[in-house]
Amino acid sequence: QKEVEQNSGPLSVPEGAIASLNCTYSDRGSQSFFWYRQYSGKSPELIMFIYSNGDKEDGRFTAQLNKASQYVSLLIRDSQPSDSATYLCAVNPSGSEKLVFGKGTKLTVNP
Amino acid sequence: DADVTQTPRNRITKTGKRIMLECSQTKGHDRMYWYRQDPGLGLRLIYYSFDVKDINKGEISDGYSVSRQAQAKFSLSLESAIPNQTALYFCATPDRNTGELFFGEGSRLTVL
Repeated sequence: QKEVEQNSGPLSVPEGAIASLNCTYSDRGSQSFFWYRQYSGKSPELIMFIYSNGDKEDGRFTAQLNKASQYVSLLIRDSQPSDSATYLCAVNPSGSEKLVFGKGTKLTVNP
Repeated sequence: DADVTQTPRNRITKTGKRIMLECSQTKGHDRMYWYRQDPGLGLRLIYYSFDVKDINKGEISDGYSVSRQAQAKFSLSLESAIPNQTALYFCATPDRNTGELFFGEGSRLTVL
């Protein structure tokens, strides 16, 4: 069973701070990694994807991938109350075209 | 209009009733999936279809069936609903080039 693990939280940060969300995965051959944001009762929406080791930045969001350690993280700079949501990590295991999702980390940004 | 449309968005039904959730997509993708989401359990794959003639069970298919009526349409049925099938259901379709999943708005099902 290929697994994706996330801390369930809740993670609480003050407005303007950096929020750090972490994810580990069990399949060393995984190739594609995704972060989705999900507001309560809504569908997940893609924030970022990353395929290569290192950092990938998009506005206030930075995804970090370390394949050797089998973890992927999402940093949110200058956190805003509107960032309060559940963040889902998803991974494409090797030999599979279906994403495996973590259970999500609930983030609360306090004004 | 949304690229992936689910109907109904909300449904309350009784134990033993047959329920169908419908999904249609305008992305032109060949693959379509059904997920179930429960609090604390994340997204779990019920069924997936790689094309009209290729339908596969996911990790939690018991109690569910599906029909792929066309490339753009994929429906999920509960033949005899039970209370523990109360959940939020999502249809999704992947971009085969990037792997990104595009989700429908979700169907909230309550079984009394």
